[in-house]
Amino acid sequence: ETGVTQTPRHLVMGMTNKKSLKCEQHLGHNAMYWYKQSAKKPLELMFVYNFKEQTENNSVPSRFSPECPNSSHLFLHLHTLQPEDSALYLCASSQGTGPNEQFFGPGTRLTVL
Amino acid sequence: AQSVTQPDIHITVSEGASLELRCNYSYGATPYLFWYVQSPGQGLQLLLKYFSGDTLVQGIKGFEAEFKRSQSSFNLRKPSVHWSDAAEYFCAVALDRGSTLGRLYFGRGTQLTVWP
Repeated sequence: ETGVTQTPRHLVMGMTNKKSLKCEQHLGHNAMYWYKQSAKKPLELMFVYNFKEQTENNSVPSRFSPECPNSSHLFLHLHTLQPEDSALYLCASSQGTGPNEQFFGPGTRLTVL
Repeated sequence: AQSVTQPDIHITVSEGASLELRCNYSYGATPYLFWYVQSPGQGLQLLLKYFSGDTLVQGIKGFEAEFKRSQSSFNLRKPSVHWSDAAEYFCAVALDRGSTLGRLYFGRGTQLTVWP
């Protein structure tokens, strides 16, 4: 595997379900990010991790719970989501959290019924 | 507050025609500037970036962009568009200082349609 991978690519869940999104980067980076991309809206930064430590939580509702066990893996745990949470969730990584290029995964298309 | 504006939501060009996608930013100093492309169902791929130096930067797939400080712009250009260039294009800026160091601010994107 190369670059940034995300699984699953598509996910359909009910509002009472619990699911997790996984991201893995194979680039040796130490910073990882979760973004939400909704139709007709700019990309929204959700969380930033640097060396496994969360450095930014952009006022994300608690029904989204990130986890970063090491610099290569990032998870987004989902529970009791709302239909408006349906979106493309993108993971990215970079070498440090300075003004560096971010490398994006293909995203997980989430549909909440 | 920092902001990125892409004034064109949707642009349609014929294959072989030239292309210019506009991007303006709001920030007091020179930011770090990026253009990303997103094909349907895919993540974002970096086309090019500007950090400093020559204000005309070359990227992948034949794209180039020019940083104009006086206009706070970073427009993306391609002399001859191919059908495979149909995608959504995002301009982004990152700051070089302050509490939001490194955070990428994205524009809303420009959807490019290419007619054969």
